[in-house]
Amino acid sequence: GNSVTQMEGPVTLSEEAFLTINCTYTATGYPSLFWYVQYPGEGLQLLLKATKADDKGSNKGFEATYRKETTSFHLEKGSVQVSDSAVYFCALSRNQFYFGTGTSLTVIP
Amino acid sequence: KAGVTQTPRYLIKTRGQQVTLSCSPISGHRSVSWYQQTPGQGLQFLFEYFSETQRNKGNFPGRFSGRQFSNSRSEMNVSTLELGDSALYLCASSPDRGRDTEAFFGQGTRLTVV
Repeated sequence: GNSVTQMEGPVTLSEEAFLTINCTYTATGYPSLFWYVQYPGEGLQLLLKATKADDKGSNKGFEATYRKETTSFHLEKGSVQVSDSAVYFCALSRNQFYFGTGTSLTVIP
Repeated sequence: KAGVTQTPRYLIKTRGQQVTLSCSPISGHRSVSWYQQTPGQGLQFLFEYFSETQRNKGNFPGRFSGRQFSNSRSEMNVSTLELGDSALYLCASSPDRGRDTEAFFGQGTRLTVV
């Protein structure tokens, strides 16, 4: 079947710290992979995506590389800001989206 | 370009009642999907409509139903509400639902069943 496993939160970091949120997946075939972000009281916004193995998605300083050999799509950012505080969801796409449980990130000044 | 609009934003209903939620997709998008978000179960897929036809369905009881109109607007109905139906219901639209296609989400309807 299809599923996504994300690292448990919550994660608390100081401003300018390095961020990694782990994501691994199980899928039939070759899915596309996504990271979505949800700010309080809002819906989900696409952060980045990758559609094939070794693709790197990037946006707003965030990056994630589609690793087929380790079935992973870890999210990274070199220097987080307070405004990055949100819940991050890893997802794979087949005939629907399959989401991870979400990782809550709080960045403190 | 206007985003995905969901109405109402908040609803409070009593057990046993029914409720209808509405979603207006981005102009030109023909695929509309619905998701239920709860703290315990996370984001779960309900169903997807494309050109007025249900194309895919998740593992929810028949009390959950939906439809799509010719202008791509979609409604979701939940009958005989239960306390466990309390959740944030998110609608997402896409031009199509290809594997590579991102989904654009609305802000959601927060349903509380008392």
